[in-house]
Amino acid sequence: DVKVTQSSRYLVKRTGEKVFLECVQDMDHENMFWYRQDPGLGLRLIYFSYDVKMKEKGDIPEGYSVSREKKERFSLILESASTNQTSMYLCASTIPRGQGPYRNTEAFFGQGTRLTVV
Amino acid sequence: LAKTTQPISMDSYEGQEVNITCSHNNIATNDYITWYQQFPSQGPRFIIQGYKTKVTNEVASLFIPADRKSSTLSLPRVSLSDTAVYYCLVGESSGDKLTFGTGTRLAVRP
Repeated sequence: DVKVTQSSRYLVKRTGEKVFLECVQDMDHENMFWYRQDPGLGLRLIYFSYDVKMKEKGDIPEGYSVSREKKERFSLILESASTNQTSMYLCASTIPRGQGPYRNTEAFFGQGTRLTVV
Repeated sequence: LAKTTQPISMDSYEGQEVNITCSHNNIATNDYITWYQQFPSQGPRFIIQGYKTKVTNEVASLFIPADRKSSTLSLPRVSLSDTAVYYCLVGESSGDKLTFGTGTRLAVRP
């Protein structure tokens, strides 16, 4: 079974703190993603990574950075946490599926980290 | 990446068949259509994926017309445990960013 593990299920941090959210996958997936999920807004992509030391901005990268030093680990960093970053954070990794003419993917998600910034 | 449009919410009763339709008018030739299911306080999980016509697995069926501008997820005989948010995604070629919308919130009542 593919496993995507996020380091914390619940986290409470103070405004201005530097926050690290860790995500580890055990299936040698190349692509990894970080999302935040807020009521009524669905999942919004923050950053993603195709490979070690590579990163790409998603739709809402402001206030966040990422680190991918090893293939299995993708970290989301809040440089200076603010209350509007209170949210559910979800990590995912993807694997190509099938043998068709076009490559398609399946995503595996972690259980999520509910971050509260006070 | 092709944008998708799906209903915000749907209601159903146990034992009924539920069909959720997703519009993706700008789907590209190399795009697949994928559906994910998300229960409260969990990450989404893959349900089904297809390219054209019909795909069926133990959980659901996916119907894709010839023009591929829409797709319909069909859940046979839903139960209370099917209450979840369902997301339609298009264009997950390897290397693409994985973009979710707001999904369809399905509520199944007794």
